[in-house]
Amino acid sequence: GAGVSQTPSNKVTEKGKYVELRCDPISGHTALYWYRQSLGQGPEFLIYFQGTGAADDSGLPNDRFFAVRPEGSVSTLKIQRTERGDSAVYLCASSLRTEGDTQYFGPGTRLTVL
Amino acid sequence: AQSVTQLDSHVSVSEGTPVLLRCNYSSSYSPSLFWYVQHPNKGLQLLLKYTSAATLVKGINGFEAEFKKSETSFHLTKPSAHMSDAAEYFCVVSERDTGRRALTFGSGTRLQVQP
Repeated sequence: GAGVSQTPSNKVTEKGKYVELRCDPISGHTALYWYRQSLGQGPEFLIYFQGTGAADDSGLPNDRFFAVRPEGSVSTLKIQRTERGDSAVYLCASSLRTEGDTQYFGPGTRLTVL
Repeated sequence: AQSVTQLDSHVSVSEGTPVLLRCNYSSSYSPSLFWYVQHPNKGLQLLLKYTSAATLVKGINGFEAEFKKSETSFHLTKPSAHMSDAAEYFCVVSERDTGRRALTFGSGTRLQVQP
């Protein structure tokens, strides 16, 4: 079946602009996660949704970052007043409750802030 | 708190020779442990997962890993490397017993396979 999809695959923006990154999880997966992967590093956790609510947002770096999942499926990661340090690959993952903590990742969105 | 240390940032092997990628973990609880692979410009793919059912875990593409609690290790091995194995490999820990669902990734090991 279809995997996790993310759009856009690449996003270039200017410092100070607002961006939205979209994630479509695997159909039927109730849990959704966002991670950020900086160059040469492993992914770092940002936020986790169970259904529509953010169950754990402890990884969000500051209040410029916000994520929503209004209908319990698609999620949008929103970054306000982007900074050059926000440049990274943003990864989305989803999981099925019966599979516990096994997460399936999308291809990511590469964000470049000029 | 949980953490993962991948002991080698780069590993280079010849095609047909064994692969060993080393990982040590730290966890206050009974961990789940994973290995993921990331090919250039592609998403993370799950290779294998340990959840206490068996200490030797077999994954896809001939990879396997052994959980050693006494050594807090979860090394990834493959008997014979293929050119297509060249990629970045991540060791990952999850503290499933705490209910916290975030995965903690190591810094990665880049595997090069020489012809």
